Amino acid sequence: NAGVMQNPRHLVRRRGQEARLRCSPMKGHSHVYWYRQLPEEGLKFMVYLQKENIIDESGMPKERFSAEFPKEGPSILRIQQVVRGDSAAYFCASSPLGEHYGYTFGSGTRLTVV
Amino acid sequence: DQQVKQNSPSLSVQEGRISILNCDYTNSMFDYFLWYKKYPAEGPTFLISISSIKDKNEDGRFTVFLNKSAKHLSLHIVPSQPGDSAVYFCAASAGGYQKVTFGIGTKLQVIP
Repeated sequence: NAGVMQNPRHLVRRRGQEARLRCSPMKGHSHVYWYRQLPEEGLKFMVYLQKENIIDESGMPKERFSAEFPKEGPSILRIQQVVRGDSAAYFCASSPLGEHYGYTFGSGTRLTVV
Repeated sequence: DQQVKQNSPSLSVQEGRISILNCDYTNSMFDYFLWYKKYPAEGPTFLISISSIKDKNEDGRFTVFLNKSAKHLSLHIVPSQPGDSAVYFCAASAGGYQKVTFGIGTKLQVIP
């Protein structure tokens, strides 16, 4: 039973390019969460999704960031026109329906904007 | 506005002794608290949790204490082992809602 799979592990983008981060939840998990960890900071909530629905995107920056969790396939966090300040570790977590303890996290994608 | 605060960025403890990691929160609506452990280059791993209806929860070497009146919780690790060296995140959620708010973490080093 594979855990939460995130890819790529490392992503380098030039300023102005687009970054796409993928997350496949654990089998049987229908809830996906994206968190961002900036250097020297804790994990900051970005967005909470269920299949085909965004439940809470209160932590998403208003511009350039979007997320989806389609009926088929992984959840995608998309960052358009990246800037240096987007450099961070992006973690995805999943949980089963109705469970809010013990999120299972993926290993993260480390985005570096050069 | 940091709703979950971990004021000690780091802690060093001798192997075999007790490690105590502290956490304070400001949001009175939080009713569920969690601790996560994170090794470098890995995602956080759930460790232990406590509901606000309890003041203590124990799991092996790990015990979490909750003081609601002080809005304070702590994680005790006894005895500490070198493999416990990691960053520990305190986290909280409100009203059964699945969004979790994290502190900035405390880096624990257990010295053999």
